[in-house]
Amino acid sequence: SQTIHQWPATLVQPVGSPLSLECTVEGTSNPNLYWYRQAAGRGLQLLFYSVGIGQISSEVPQNLSASRPQDRQFILSSKKLLLSDSGFYLCAWSSGTGDHFGPGTRLTVT
Amino acid sequence: EDQVTQSPEALRLQEGESSSLNCSYTVSGLRGLFWYRQDPGKGPEFLFTLYSAGEEKEKERLKATLTKKESFLHITAPKPEDSATYLCALANQAGTALIFGKGTTLSVSS
Repeated sequence: SQTIHQWPATLVQPVGSPLSLECTVEGTSNPNLYWYRQAAGRGLQLLFYSVGIGQISSEVPQNLSASRPQDRQFILSSKKLLLSDSGFYLCAWSSGTGDHFGPGTRLTVT
Repeated sequence: EDQVTQSPEALRLQEGESSSLNCSYTVSGLRGLFWYRQDPGKGPEFLFTLYSAGEEKEKERLKATLTKKESFLHITAPKPEDSATYLCALANQAGTALIFGKGTTLSVSS
């Protein structure tokens, strides 16, 4: 069966510091991968998606970037965090009949 | 513009009191409508995918239905463990990723 992992689970970072969140998927090959952000009082917002290694599409211009160095690895990064980057970050993979989400990373920028 | 609107924002039920959650949508070519359950601090858990008007799917006390303009999640004789936020999402013809509503937070008391 397929499993999706995210780490860290929680993170508190000061404004201006860098960020790296990692997501890995097991049990499937060449999945479509997604990064979403869920802010308080708002729905899930798609940030990036990837259909293959090195292929990244951005949905919303922002302070973040994504990379896919391996087939089942997806990384979300920032060089300098802003207060507005706080939120719950979710990685997901698509099975074709629905997106399946990881456990999420709670990021608080102070 | 494709969008999803969920109502009500919050719903409080007594155990055994059946009700329905609403998901209204506008989309330029529906490829699928999805229901998820999200517990606090966790990633969304996939429940159902519906593809065409008239389709219905069931899982335990939950039943999802779809018309050309909206979807309903019917909860029959709910239990306290059904308390969660229920998210509706749709996939459009562009097919890059899902468009989510803000969710309905359900609280079931015993």
